[in-house]
Amino acid sequence: EPEVTQTPSHQVTQMGQEVILRCVPISNHLYFYWYRQILGQKVEFLVSFYNNEISEKSEIFDDQFSVERPDGSNFTLKIRSTKLEDSAMYFCASTRATNEKLFFGSGTQLSVL
Amino acid sequence: DAKTTQPTSMDCAEGRAANLPCNHSTISGNEYVYWYRQIHSQGPQYIIHGLKNNETNEMASLIITEDRKSSTLILPHATLRDTAVYYCIVRVALHGAQKLVFGQGTRLTINP
Repeated sequence: EPEVTQTPSHQVTQMGQEVILRCVPISNHLYFYWYRQILGQKVEFLVSFYNNEISEKSEIFDDQFSVERPDGSNFTLKIRSTKLEDSAMYFCASTRATNEKLFFGSGTQLSVL
Repeated sequence: DAKTTQPTSMDCAEGRAANLPCNHSTISGNEYVYWYRQIHSQGPQYIIHGLKNNETNEMASLIITEDRKSSTLILPHATLRDTAVYYCIVRVALHGAQKLVFGQGTRLTINP
C-alpha cells in the first residue's frame, strides 16, 4: 500500500529556533493535512491544504506556523520560533478525495528544550 | 461535525470478536462514519467508513443502525496486534479538504 513519508522521525531543537518538518504525501493525492499529538493527549487538527492554499486552520495554527508545498511533491510545516509547548508528535496526512480515507505518516517527534 | 461518544476502554480475548460501539445521535444525513485506530504512537490508520449501509473489508465490519444514531465496529477475530485506541469519527464529505476531528477514542486491549 502507498505510504506518506515523514522526515525526520525525531527532531530536537532549542526554544526559539525554527524547525521544518517534511512530508512526502502519496503522489496522486490532492488534499494535505498536518495534525499533532501532545504526549498522552488526543490527535489535534492543525491545518488542511488544497490547491496550493490553506483550506482551514485551527486555533493552534497561529502566525508561528506555516505550510508550503514547494515542489509538487513535498509538503512542509514550519514553526518559526519554537516554544516548549510545541513539543509533540506531528503527523502529516493526505487523501485523494474528500470522501476517501486519509493516509497518515508515521510522524515526527519534536522535542523543544 | 457531529459529536461521537465511545467507551473509554474495552477488553477482549484473543481470537474472539471485538465489538466497539459508538453513539452519534446528532449525525446529519450527509455525514459519514469513519473508524481509525492508533497503535501506540504511530500515525492513525484507516479501518473502514460508511454512510448508511453496513460495510465490510479485510480488516473489519461496520454496522450502522437504521436511524444512523449509532454504529458498531467489529473486529471478527481479534489478535494481540489489534490492541490500539479506536476512534469513531463523523465527517461531512463536502467539496474541499474536510478535516477529521479526533476524540478520545476507545482503548481496546486484546488479552492472550
